[in-house]
Amino acid sequence: SQTIHQWPATLVQPVGSPLSLECTVEGTSNPNLYWYRQAAGRGLQLLFYSVGIGQISSEVPQNLSASRPQDRQFILSSKKLLLSDSGFYLCAWNGTDKYEQYFGPGTRLTVT
Amino acid sequence: DQQVKQNSPSLSVQEGRISILNCDYTNSMFDYFLWYKKYPAEGPTFLISISSIKDKNEDGRFTVFLNKSAKHLSLHIVPSQPGDSAVYFCAASESGTYKYIFGTGTRLKVLA
Repeated sequence: SQTIHQWPATLVQPVGSPLSLECTVEGTSNPNLYWYRQAAGRGLQLLFYSVGIGQISSEVPQNLSASRPQDRQFILSSKKLLLSDSGFYLCAWNGTDKYEQYFGPGTRLTVT
Repeated sequence: DQQVKQNSPSLSVQEGRISILNCDYTNSMFDYFLWYKKYPAEGPTFLISISSIKDKNEDGRFTVFLNKSAKHLSLHIVPSQPGDSAVYFCAASESGTYKYIFGTGTRLKVLA
C-alpha cells in the first residue's frame, strides 16, 4: 500500500532563517506531488505541484520554492523565512490514473 | 478569485440526524469533485468523490450530490456521529490540469 511521509512534524524558525521540508511517498511510482499551505483559519492553498522529476509548477508567487530531486521525493524550501510563512504545510500525492489525492500528516511551521 | 466556495463556516447537527455540507464552484470546466475530512493538526482524509458525468455517488453514510447546472455539490452524512466532528473541505479539479482547488472548509460539530 502507498504511504506518504512528511518531516519534521513541527518546526519553529526565526525570521530570516532557511527552510527545508521534505516529503516522500512509498508504494507507488511517478506520482503527481503537491505542496499546500493552510494558514490559521483558512482553507488549503496550493503552492506547488509536480508531475515528474525536475518539473515544478508554482501557483502563488512567494518566498518559497520547491524541488523534486527523485521520483517520490518533494522538497519545499526557503532561503529566508518571513513571519507570513507561518502555517500548516501539507504534502499530497495522487496517481496518474486517479483523481483522489492523499495527504501527509503535515508540518506545523511557526516563524518567530 | 475563489473558484470553490463553502459559504457556511460552521454547522451544528444533533447526533443521528442528517448533516448537509454545501459547496459552490464557478469554473464550468471542473469535472471532478472531492470531499475531505480534516482533524486539527492532521492531514485531510479523502472521503468521497464524484465525476461530472454523475449526479450522485454513495459510500456508506456519505453521499455526494452534484448539480452541474447550478454549479453546486453537497455532502450528506446520515446518520451523523460525534466522530464526524471535523472540518470538511470540498475540492474541484479540471482534467488535464493536475490542479485541485479547495474551498475554505466547513466546521461540522455533531452534538451527542
